[in-house]
Amino acid sequence: SQTIHQWPATLVQPVGSPLSLECTVEGTSNPNLYWYRQAAGRGLQLLFYSVGIGQISSEVPQNLSASRPQDRQFILSSKKLLLSDSGFYLCAWSVDLGEADYGYTFGSGTRLTVV
Amino acid sequence: AQKITQTQPGMFVQEKEAVTLDCTYDTSDPSYGLFWYKQPSSGEMIFLIYQGSYDQQNATEGRYSLNFQKARKSANLVISASQLGDSAMYFCAMREGGTGGFKTIFGAGTRLFVKA
Repeated sequence: SQTIHQWPATLVQPVGSPLSLECTVEGTSNPNLYWYRQAAGRGLQLLFYSVGIGQISSEVPQNLSASRPQDRQFILSSKKLLLSDSGFYLCAWSVDLGEADYGYTFGSGTRLTVV
Repeated sequence: AQKITQTQPGMFVQEKEAVTLDCTYDTSDPSYGLFWYKQPSSGEMIFLIYQGSYDQQNATEGRYSLNFQKARKSANLVISASQLGDSAMYFCAMREGGTGGFKTIFGAGTRLFVKA
């Protein structure tokens, strides 16, 4: 069965420090991968998506970046965190199923607090 | 530009009653998919139901049904026989380009409270 792992679950980082959040998927090949951010009490904002190794599309210009070094690995990074980077970060995957569509499968999320 | 609107920040429903969560959308793409997700207090996002823009019938999944009114661009979620475990945030979402699209946008969400 397909599973998605995201870590860490919570993170408190000082302003100006680097960030690395990792997401890995098991049990599927060539998934579409996504990073979303959810501010407190708000909806989800798409940050990055990837349709293959090394292929990254950015939706919102910011000081975050994403990389996909392996088929089932998606990494969200920052060189210097800002206070505004605080939020709940969710990784998700999907596959193209033709006419059927089962939506995204999300990871358990990382709650990032920048202090 | 695509847009999803959920106008109900919070809803209350009595246990065992039905509740409708509203969602309207805006897109110029004739091919799109509509989704509902549930987010309990734990934070995980759980896929509930999907409706394709070309589907003739409303989607149903157990106690969940999607009231799809294409001309009005609405995709309301109906939960029948509410249970205490249904208390959560509910997000409506849309992906343009049908199953070939990659960008899913989410509404602001509706918090549902189920009363015993």
